[in-house]
Amino acid sequence: AQKVTQAQTEISVVEKEDVTLDCVYETRDTTYYLFWYKQPPSGELVFLIRRNSFDEQNEISGRYSWNFQKSTSSFNFTITASQVVDSAVYFCALSGFNAGGTSYGKLTFGQGTILTVHP
Amino acid sequence: NAGVTQTPKFRVLKTGQSMTLLCAQDMNHEYMYWYRQDPGMGLRLIHYSVGEGTTAKGEVPDGYNVSRLKKQNFLLGLESAAPSQTSVYFCASSYNSPGTQYFGPGTRLLVL
Repeated sequence: AQKVTQAQTEISVVEKEDVTLDCVYETRDTTYYLFWYKQPPSGELVFLIRRNSFDEQNEISGRYSWNFQKSTSSFNFTITASQVVDSAVYFCALSGFNAGGTSYGKLTFGQGTILTVHP
Repeated sequence: NAGVTQTPKFRVLKTGQSMTLLCAQDMNHEYMYWYRQDPGMGLRLIHYSVGEGTTAKGEVPDGYNVSRLKKQNFLLGLESAAPSQTSVYFCASSYNSPGTQYFGPGTRLLVL
């Protein structure tokens, strides 16, 4: 069974602070994919990043960066110089392959972290 | 491109009533999914489809049925609604597996 844990239920920061959202996962699959989605107050889910289990390079996209560490089963997300528009619920998710090597793309989500950025 | 659309946006049902939620995608995606979102629990997979004419159960399928008669549409049915089905329902689609899933705007359902 797969499991994704986002231990931080809520985080509150002041604008321009850096903030890191933690994600820890469990899977028996040797091949899997990790995702981050953003859910702003309007309610839609916005895709941020996809990373496969063979690629442990960190990634940076503007103010966003992701740190993937297979050794600790973590895929953490950092927002640098946070802005009010970053206020949202952020979800980490996992998709793996079954014993037969088949993946149906089913996502297992974490509980989400509510990020509030105050002006 | 509209992407993934969901109908209706909001609905109130009485216990025991039935309804169908419609998901449509115009991206020619093979894979489609129905999730429900409840406070503090993230999103949980209800049913999914790996292609036209196919459906399969996800993590929380009880009380729901689905159909995928056309590639672009994925219907979620509630035969006899219960208050426990009060939730926000999201549909998603992806081109391949495990591909990036693109989500619809959601349907908020209240069962009284």
